[in-house]
Amino acid sequence: QKEVEQNSGPLSVPEGAIASLNCTYSDRGSQSFFWYRQYSGKSPELIMFIYSNGDKEDGRFTAQLNKASQYVSLLIRDSQPSDSATYLCALRNNAGNMLTFGGGTRLMVKP
Amino acid sequence: DAGVIQSPRHEVTEMGQEVTLRCKPISGHDYLFWYRQTMMRGLELLIYFNNNVPIDDSGMPEDRFSAKMPNASFSTLKIQPSEPRDSAVYFCASSSSYYGYTFGSGTRLTVV
Repeated sequence: QKEVEQNSGPLSVPEGAIASLNCTYSDRGSQSFFWYRQYSGKSPELIMFIYSNGDKEDGRFTAQLNKASQYVSLLIRDSQPSDSATYLCALRNNAGNMLTFGGGTRLMVKP
Repeated sequence: DAGVIQSPRHEVTEMGQEVTLRCKPISGHDYLFWYRQTMMRGLELLIYFNNNVPIDDSGMPEDRFSAKMPNASFSTLKIQPSEPRDSAVYFCASSSSYYGYTFGSGTRLTVV
């Protein structure tokens, strides 16, 4: 089992809809969780991070964490075509500052 | 802040040649990471440094790969000799303690 699992997609949603991206992980020692967005041919850029169980909102983005279920998700409200990208989930455990990345989910927002 | 700076952006080399990738981290960041990204394997951590000291190099695929960080503002990743299976995008990233990483623009390496 991979440490960080993501559905590779593509996840296709219409413009204006809510996109829901999911990530599961196996290491219960994971302390913090990150969502990165990567446009084709570009480098990953940090969108959000979350440490505590529950929801964290930042503009159109909401990160949700459930440590008991080892599950983290990213919701994108009012999806725009410019949100079309690959979204990478990453986690950090308490052994150091190393991030482990999932394989990413490709999101397509159709006008 | 200029961000993490990598060079070159693109590198095409022949099998057997030495390749050196360069990275300048963000000033003040005490962690530096080298990742490799391919379609098949995604983002793989190769090695990371803390305060210029290599901490974990277990991701370095083989002895052909080596990395150095002679000072806080510069790091290199060297492949010698290069092979076609080394073709990938190589990212350098830096961070300050427990925040997320900032990635450089990457070096696209093609070994023919």
